[in-house]
Amino acid sequence: DTGVSQNPRHKITKRGQNVTFRCDPISEHNRLYWYRQTLGQGPEFLTYFQNEAQLEKSRLLSDRFSAERPKGSFSTLEIQRTEQGDSAMYLCASSDSNTGELFFGEGSRLTVL
Amino acid sequence: GENVEQHPSTLSVQEGDSAVIKCTYSDSASNYFPWYKQELGKRPQLIIDIRSNVGEKKDQRIAVTLNKTAKHFSLHITETQPEDSAVYFCAASKDQKVTFGIGTKLQVIP
Repeated sequence: DTGVSQNPRHKITKRGQNVTFRCDPISEHNRLYWYRQTLGQGPEFLTYFQNEAQLEKSRLLSDRFSAERPKGSFSTLEIQRTEQGDSAMYLCASSDSNTGELFFGEGSRLTVL
Repeated sequence: GENVEQHPSTLSVQEGDSAVIKCTYSDSASNYFPWYKQELGKRPQLIIDIRSNVGEKKDQRIAVTLNKTAKHFSLHITETQPEDSAVYFCAASKDQKVTFGIGTKLQVIP
């Protein structure tokens, strides 16, 4: 296991298109998080899962954003009808129940033209 | 929800000097306070953390302090080296939800 992996690493899309990102966490981790990071800012919480259950979703997220973790392993984050303001780095992280330490992936950079 | 404020946003120090970054949090129920380092173009990585039942923790040149009453916590880096140059994020966690500060860009001048 080489850590948290995300793909694609980069995505350029036109406004109005849908995009989907995938995250594969560290295999023994039961918690999975999605964050968004823009230049000069800290990671902004989007949502998180414990196993397959989505425990919380940020109120900042519009209905265009949805995340799933169907089997409690990998997760997908879908953004529908993308807007230029969605351009950011989308970071996935996983952790186990004991330590709370987040292990981040390399991120998926979205550019909406 | 939790709100974490961090300052300064940028910090320049001479090599060998100390650097201090301060954070405050709003939710008194937060009980875990990690610090992450993010080098340019890389992922954030945990460098040290502290739990609410502890007031101070040290790991070589890095130390964190926590004042639960005031809801303040700080990162101290002593004998800074050029490789310490990065963006540092504080965070506060409650019920496993982790909220980050805005980050401090630390530049260590050789």
